[in-house]
Amino acid sequence: AQSVAQPEDQVNVAEGNPLTVKCTYSVSGNPYLFWYVQYPNRGLQFLLKYITGDNLVKGSYGFEAEFNKSQTSFHLKKPSALVSDSALYFCAVRDKNRDDKIIFGKGTRLHILP
Amino acid sequence: EAGVAQSPRYKIIEKRQSVAFWCNPISGHATLYWYQQILGQGPKLLIQFQNNGVVDDSQLPKDRFSAERLKGVDSTLKIQPAKLEDSAVYLCASSNGALSSYNEQFFGPGTRLTVL
Repeated sequence: AQSVAQPEDQVNVAEGNPLTVKCTYSVSGNPYLFWYVQYPNRGLQFLLKYITGDNLVKGSYGFEAEFNKSQTSFHLKKPSALVSDSALYFCAVRDKNRDDKIIFGKGTRLHILP
Repeated sequence: EAGVAQSPRYKIIEKRQSVAFWCNPISGHATLYWYQQILGQGPKLLIQFQNNGVVDDSQLPKDRFSAERLKGVDSTLKIQPAKLEDSAVYLCASSNGALSSYNEQFFGPGTRLTVL
């Protein structure tokens, strides 16, 4: 069965510093991987996805994520954090080789400190 | 392009009452999803439609939850009777493409349900 883990409930980063939000996954085959962001009182918004090809994926708002097959990870990164990046971030996975549902992690709350 | 619309935004009911949520997906999106998001957790898929057919309802509590997507456009999700543990945000999402597509999902603002 496929699964996704976000080991940190909350991440605090000072404005201007680099940020990383961690995600690890488990699928029987090859994964499609996604990051979504949720701002207060709003639905989830798509940030970026990994399908195939280059392991470094660039997305919206300056975010990027690196697919690491050996470590089964897909960490979200940004070189310089903004206060406006403060939100709830969800990693999600779908097994590429199965007609299976997408599974979301429990979320990581990112606080950017001014 | 208009986004995914949901109504109502908030609903408060007493246990054992019934409630219905409505979703209008992005025009042309064949796939529609209903998720339940309990506080502190990630969204959990309740049901997935491809056009007007159900393709996955394995996590839908069918004794009390029902959903339909008549004509393959709008969808309604109903709970009857509601329980305290149904308190959550109900998210509707839509996407373009086939069942196993890697296309991203577009989410509505959600309906926050409180069951007293």
